[in-house]
Amino acid sequence: GNSVTQMEGPVTLSEEAFLTINCTYTATGYPSLFWYVQYPGEGLQLLLKATKADDKGSNKGFEATYRKETTSFHLEKGSVQVSDSAVYFCALSEGGGATNKLIFGTGTLLAVQP
Amino acid sequence: DADVTQTPRNRITKTGKRIMLECSQTKGHDRMYWYRQDPGLGLRLIYYSFDVKDINKGEISDGYSVSRQAQAKFSLSLESAIPNQTALYFCATSDFGGGARDTQYFGPGTRLTVL
Repeated sequence: GNSVTQMEGPVTLSEEAFLTINCTYTATGYPSLFWYVQYPGEGLQLLLKATKADDKGSNKGFEATYRKETTSFHLEKGSVQVSDSAVYFCALSEGGGATNKLIFGTGTLLAVQP
Repeated sequence: DADVTQTPRNRITKTGKRIMLECSQTKGHDRMYWYRQDPGLGLRLIYYSFDVKDINKGEISDGYSVSRQAQAKFSLSLESAIPNQTALYFCATSDFGGGARDTQYFGPGTRLTVL
């Protein structure tokens, strides 16, 4: 079945460091891909998404490119801030418009130190 | 006001008790979902509903039931709670359609502890 694999955390970085969180997927068809962020004590918020191959999603300085050839959707940010500390989830949408079911990775905790 | 609300936000209960978690949304979406989050496991889908007459089991529906009382309300029940149902529960909504419309919007979560 469909699945999402993301790098285990925690990832600990100093402020202004470069961030990469790896995400790969297994899916039939052409799923949409998402990154969600969960700040401490809150629900999940959509960070960015891409709906087809080679699309780049971007928001708040974060970027991820839908790579069909490598089945990847790695999250990057050039300069992290303490306020970026959160858990990041990679997800795919299974079945497109038919079901909208999301399959999540296990989450990666990012801790940014001043 | 938040678009997706969940009540209660925290609940402690005992084994064998019946528990209901409620979700309301003001986004006007037809589709609603219940997930549970466990450390190291990410989020897993319990049930989902595409409209008030459509209820579907997700990945881990055993021990749970749901009710879609209206377009805006979707409740999750634990008929007889057990300790391994201790988790963080999230409700989510989405619009109909694929592509750009398949974003899900999450509530703040309910932390449930079963003793």
